[in-house]
This record gives sequence, structure tokens and C-alpha cells, in this order.
Amino acid sequence: DIVLTQSPDSLAVSLGERATINCRSSQSVLYSSNNKNYLAWYQQKPGQPPKLLIYWASTRETGVPDRFSGSGSGTDFTLTISSLQAEDAAVYYCQQYYSTPPSTFGPGTKVDIK
Amino acid sequence: QVQLQQSGPGLVKPSQTLSLTCAISGDSVSSKSAAWIWIRQSPSRGLEWLGRTYYRSKWYNDYAVSMKSRITINADTSRNQFSLQLNSVTPEDTAVYYCARGHYDSSGSYLGDDHWGQGTLVTVSS
Repeated sequence: DIVLTQSPDSLAVSLGERATINCRSSQSVLYSSNNKNYLAWYQQKPGQPPKLLIYWASTRETGVPDRFSGSGSGTDFTLTISSLQAEDAAVYYCQQYYSTPPSTFGPGTKVDIK
Repeated sequence: QVQLQQSGPGLVKPSQTLSLTCAISGDSVSSKSAAWIWIRQSPSRGLEWLGRTYYRSKWYNDYAVSMKSRITINADTSRNQFSLQLNSVTPEDTAVYYCARGHYDSSGSYLGDDHWGQGTLVTVSS
């Protein structure tokens, strides 16, 4: 199975500042036939299911604010929140769906407001 | 819009069978642009993908290897829902269980798990 690691485990960011979360895959998730990275990012708030933010590593899901952006390719990926809002306090997960079954998730990064 | 509504017991005894159902509205369990997935979450294991069912002219199922001998996911087209059965449960199966829709575009490329059920906390205890 593909293993995803995330860093940092947690971070505290002031309102309006940038938050950056990293995800590294144990093998490439770049699908050569369509040149897409099969990696997604999710946001989870307490008591709620995860919410899809980004797929194909950098495509925002409909309705997701443009302060959320994804980048990277192959094995190294980044989720950036450009100007942190209070409602962005949550745990963020990366997920690979290159090698399914099974899809696998990273361990999560907790974002708090400083 | 797509909604997934989960139902099933929150307490299961060890060695018994965990059974959950996910009712779909706003889409069809037979949709050729979807896969219907079960995922669970626990503090010790994080988010764990369990398996999926999907229809592409016939029905397919995929299961996580760690679950393969104990898990069954079925689609019920008459009720537009799908279900999870996990046999021989132990306390390690205690988790919040989610159903989700995996979405594909018209070319068959995966777009992520874009709709989720509300989650069901299942506790395995005597």
C-alpha cells in the first residue's frame, strides 16, 4: 500500500496569515496516461465527516474558497491556505487514489488559530 | 443535491456482525460515474478505506486486503442504497464508520470522495 506522511503534525497560524501543509507519498501518484496526480486534500471539523477540498493535487472542488490551493507532483505535495480565516481551524488530510484498492490517507495535520 | 444517510446500530458485541446501510438521494447506486465506499476512522488507525462497490455494466467490489475475509459491501438497486457487513468484530473495530461517494468524470478519471454520510460511531463491546 502507498503510505502518506504529513508535516507538520500541527500548526498554529494567526488570522490572515499563510498556512502550509505538506504531504509526501511513498511512491509516485502521477498517472502517466493523463498526467494527473491522484491526490486529494480534505478538511475535517470536529463531529463532521471529511470535506473534499482539492483533487488531482491542485483542482479545487466546486464551492471551495480560492484561499485554498494545492501544488506538487509525483511524491511531494502542499496544501496552502493563503489567508487563514477562523473557520479554517480543522484537521487536514491528504489522500491518494492512484493505487486503489486501497485508497490511503495521511495521518492528518491540525490547524489552530494563534 | 447528493445526500447520504447512514443507519445501523451503534453497539455490536464481539464476534458478531456489524451491519450499516447508506441510503442515497440525488444520485443512483447504479451510476456509472460513481463508486460507493465505506471508510472508518479511529484514533489509533486514522482514516481507513474499507472497500467499495460500483456498477460499470456489471457490479464490482474491491476490499482492503486487511478486511477481505470479513467484509461484504452490497448494493440494493430497489432501495437505492448500499450496505456494509463486517463479520467477527473485535474491540479493534470500534470506530466512526462513514459511507462516501467516489466521483468520476466522463472520461473515467477519479475526482475524489465528494459526498459523505454523517458518520456512525460503532462500539464493539459486550
